[in-house]
Amino acid sequence: NAGVTQTPKFQVLKTGQSMTLQCAQDMNHEYMSWYRQDPGMGLRLIHYSVGAGITDQGEVPNGYNVSRSTTEDFPLRLLSAAPSQTSVYFCATRRSGVTTGELFFGEGSRLTVL
Amino acid sequence: DAKTTQPPSMDCAEGRAANLPCNHSTISGNEYVYWYRQIHSQGPQYIIHGLKNNETNEMASLIITEDRKSSTLILPHATLRDTAVYYCIVSYGNKLVFGAGTILRVKS
Repeated sequence: NAGVTQTPKFQVLKTGQSMTLQCAQDMNHEYMSWYRQDPGMGLRLIHYSVGAGITDQGEVPNGYNVSRSTTEDFPLRLLSAAPSQTSVYFCATRRSGVTTGELFFGEGSRLTVL
Repeated sequence: DAKTTQPPSMDCAEGRAANLPCNHSTISGNEYVYWYRQIHSQGPQYIIHGLKNNETNEMASLIITEDRKSSTLILPHATLRDTAVYYCIVSYGNKLVFGAGTILRVKS
């Protein structure tokens, strides 16, 4: 039982490149989300999903795309990376059928955009 | 979601209780109070949550005032491994908004 798995753990991009951060979970959680954390700051919600085929925006969605084709996976796409997107990205999930309760976080993906 | 106010940092002696305050004066009736912590740069770890009653689990206790405008997280016997950033969040639904949190330093 791996929980929440994020890949890659580290990535360096050049400005304008695209990439996808992967998030996979094996807990059958309906709710999945992406946060970013800039140095010395709290986490900010980018996008979230309450189930396959359903996504919604969080606080800072610009520059990011998401899709949810399966319960297990919730990839985050950067179409044209910018230095302002240098950050640590966390995926978080929550069990089904509740709007409250514990979020389970992955270990993070550290992205540097040059 | 209601905003929260936490002190930027606190110190606590090892073995003593750590009491972390949080103000949430604009909390709505259906919003829960959550506490998470983040050790180094790891993913945040859930600690506890509550609506209006006090709550206790194996990690901590959560005391919510009767008017629900503030709360206190209590770590009963702090250890060096409790040194972390502690986040107080109030929310109902799908958007948990993290603030800057409180840096708790447990010292021997």
